[in-house]
Amino acid sequence: QQPVQSPQAVILREGEDAVINCSSSKALYSVHWYRQKHGEAPVFLMILLKGGEQKGHEKISASFNEKKQQSSLYLTASQLSYSGTYFCGTDAGGTSYGKLTFGQGTILTVHP
Amino acid sequence: ETGVTQTPRHLVMGMTNKKSLKCEQHLGHNAMYWYKQSAKKPLELMFVYNFKEQTENNSVPSRFSPECPNSSHLFLHLHTLQPEDSALYLCASSQDQPVNTEAFFGQGTRLTVV
Repeated sequence: QQPVQSPQAVILREGEDAVINCSSSKALYSVHWYRQKHGEAPVFLMILLKGGEQKGHEKISASFNEKKQQSSLYLTASQLSYSGTYFCGTDAGGTSYGKLTFGQGTILTVHP
Repeated sequence: ETGVTQTPRHLVMGMTNKKSLKCEQHLGHNAMYWYKQSAKKPLELMFVYNFKEQTENNSVPSRFSPECPNSSHLFLHLHTLQPEDSALYLCASSQDQPVNTEAFFGQGTRLTVV
């Protein structure tokens, strides 16, 4: 069962912050985040593993709440280059170990 | 450029045609994947190959037939497709499978079935 992302779309001005959420109905082993710009390949952002730490680099970070079965992606002081569609992929482990199921995506648009 | 190359970038085919999509990676990865990306739908995993062996077939119709002759190449053979098969087909690779490492995606083949 696919994770649910919220919001579906968000519009920001440069320098503003955004949070994208990814919720699953199943217990999760890991959560993966990707960004895809129009006409381009999805690009890896980060992986969060069960029992792992919150991750981030520069102004993009993410958290993984195992109990709530959800992950959040934090974009601070957004830049024009952050525009694109953000996908979370979840791995429920067990018999589904290693099999990523992706959410429907969140479209992020950053304006000058 | 992610290191994963897909050809062709665009393909238009009739429902009775047979065509193949090609994916190539020279990243030294052992796992390769086919995904389908339709408008307003999530990325759907189709097939997984690990060390040239198919480890996952996500209930994909038999009109899609994958082939992995070596760890660097992955094909998706298409025949008697339906209009609803029109989509962006993405290939990806990762060091190993299960996917606990970064996956690298190609730019995809935009397929239109007429």
